[in-house]
Amino acid sequence: DTAVSQTPKYLVTQMGNDKSIKCEQNLGHDTMYWYKQDSKKFLKIMFSYNNKELIINETVPNRFSPKSPDKAHLNLHINSLELGDSAVYFCASSQRWGPDTGELFFGEGSRLTVL
Amino acid sequence: SQQGEEDPQALSIQEGENATMNCSYKTSINNLQWYRQNSGRGLVHLILIRSNEREKHSGRLRVTLDTSKKSSSLLITASRAADTASYFCATVSGSNYKLTFGKGTLLTVNP
Repeated sequence: DTAVSQTPKYLVTQMGNDKSIKCEQNLGHDTMYWYKQDSKKFLKIMFSYNNKELIINETVPNRFSPKSPDKAHLNLHINSLELGDSAVYFCASSQRWGPDTGELFFGEGSRLTVL
Repeated sequence: SQQGEEDPQALSIQEGENATMNCSYKTSINNLQWYRQNSGRGLVHLILIRSNEREKHSGRLRVTLDTSKKSSSLLITASRAADTASYFCATVSGSNYKLTFGKGTLLTVNP
């Protein structure tokens, strides 16, 4: 049983298109995250939700819009895709959020290629 | 902004040798965590050390934390080819308790 699952695993699309990546966790965690990993493997946090409430929103273009319909799901919608959006996007979850934020459980990643 | 910086960027050793990776960070932290990422896979949590702890062990892993120097080290003893992966340190810090990752160390263990 996969703890954090994200779909699709691969996404190849043209510039200007809109795409979505879905994420689900079955761990009963309160907090979910989206991270972006670039070609140099640098991981940057994009968004975080705690109990469906947005708590971290980094300097991300407003073409990126997260949506958390419930605690177990955090989706990422990207409008007007650009070449620079090509990356691997990771969803993650943690049991709680706060000074004692513990380990994050990561999905396997969604590799987005914009042509 | 980036918080952790791992050193070295890449490390190549023989099976059975020990591997040491270092991480430096800039601001005060709540805890520091180490993760492993195999090629093409997601990150896997290895160990967490709190700001009031100095050393922690888990199997072949030993982590130290020196808050006065804002640095941590990860030691993998008796390495195996299966330990080949990228290793990242990450810190929980700031008023929003963000988990910020360093650039990672690529460890190659040759059989």
